[in-house]
Amino acid sequence: DGGITQSPKYLFRKEGQNVTLSCEQNLNHDAMYWYRQDPGQGLRLIYYSQIVNDFQKGDIAEGYSVSREKKESFPLTVTSAQKNPTAFYLCASSIDVAGWQYNEQFFGPGTRLTVL
Amino acid sequence: AQSVTQPDIHITVSEGASLELRCNYSYGATPYLFWYVQSPGQGLQLLLKYFSGDTLVQGIKGFEAEFKRSQSSFNLRKPSVHWSDAAEYFCAVAQGGYNKLIFGAGTRLAVHP
Repeated sequence: DGGITQSPKYLFRKEGQNVTLSCEQNLNHDAMYWYRQDPGQGLRLIYYSQIVNDFQKGDIAEGYSVSREKKESFPLTVTSAQKNPTAFYLCASSIDVAGWQYNEQFFGPGTRLTVL
Repeated sequence: AQSVTQPDIHITVSEGASLELRCNYSYGATPYLFWYVQSPGQGLQLLLKYFSGDTLVQGIKGFEAEFKRSQSSFNLRKPSVHWSDAAEYFCAVAQGGYNKLIFGAGTRLAVHP
């Protein structure tokens, strides 16, 4: 079955530690995205990538880093510089960024990160 | 700057009653509009989308939405709500050029039996 997987589902880290969230898709999508979700604030874009080896900052990139070495994978690292990292993180992908008719973003199940 | 407003944070309806969730957007050009649904602790699922053409769009699970340019609105409706519709609903507008979605804060729907 095609889809997006995120692991782990729950993640705990101590303050000051870096942590990496996994996102894998087998939909052959070109574009991938990372969103942060906080209660009452909807989703906010952290980073996105249109092609391999290229990515752009979203609205709230500070304290986060990403890589896109493979089409299928777009891991997100939450660094110790992120002041308030506890949140629900969602990964998404889409077929083609430039073609509006293929604009739909498909979402993974999410990872809930808690900083202790 | 583009923005999406969902005026209702929480809505409670009885099972079998009709539903309307409000969404207002701010966007200079012709908007591309979406409604997503999220069950607790899960990812988002697309309910429906509007790109152009007929302003009344049909989606999955019996939902529909109407685009009204004069009111900058894209309200979601369902004629008869089922208990399984309890979830959080997000309206979003696509920002041109980079496939960037701007989300509203969401409306949490509770359904009473």
